Amino acid sequence: DTAVSQTPKYLVTQMGNDKSIKCEQNLGHDTMYWYKQDSKKFLKIMFSYNNKELIINETVPNRFSPKSPDKAHLNLHINSLELGDSAVYFCASSPTDRGWTGELFFGEGSRLTVL
Amino acid sequence: DQQVKQNSPSLSVQEGRISILNCDYTNSMFDYFLWYKKYPAEGPTFLISISSIKDKNEDGRFTVFLNKSAKHLSLHIVPSQPGDSAVYFCAATDEKLTFGTGTRLTIIP
Repeated sequence: DTAVSQTPKYLVTQMGNDKSIKCEQNLGHDTMYWYKQDSKKFLKIMFSYNNKELIINETVPNRFSPKSPDKAHLNLHINSLELGDSAVYFCASSPTDRGWTGELFFGEGSRLTVL
Repeated sequence: DQQVKQNSPSLSVQEGRISILNCDYTNSMFDYFLWYKKYPAEGPTFLISISSIKDKNEDGRFTVFLNKSAKHLSLHIVPSQPGDSAVYFCAATDEKLTFGTGTRLTIIP
């Protein structure tokens, strides 16, 4: 039973289209994240939500809109896709406690290719 | 501004020998330092961590060393096994987790 699951795993689309990636976690964690791994393999945080509230937004273009319907789900919607959006997008979750030591639980990633 | 750096993109080590992966950081406010392991087509998985108030943490074959004065940490794997072949990411926390660019470790049988 997968702890953090993302769909779709692969996504190929044309420039200008709108697409969504869904993420669900069954770990009971309060905090969820989206990370982007670009062509240089650099893993960079995009957003973080705690109990459905946005707590981190790392200067991501507003074409990217995360939505958290409940604390187990964090979806990523991307409008007007550009070539530079091609990357692997990772969803992750963590417990939110004082003394969080940095451990994240990642999904398998969603590879987005924009043509 | 890359606060966590892994300057070696790749490393090859003979099976049974020690693998040493290195990481440097610039932010002295980081609380915890972590190593994540990533296989192809999978998400990163947590491997081992160390608090900023410690200088060593050991878990089986894996040991992480922290040198705060040099702002440097390293991961030692001994003995190295073929299953250790993966990309290893160094990471550090303040209010969020910041990753390095990764080192691809290849264990040669």
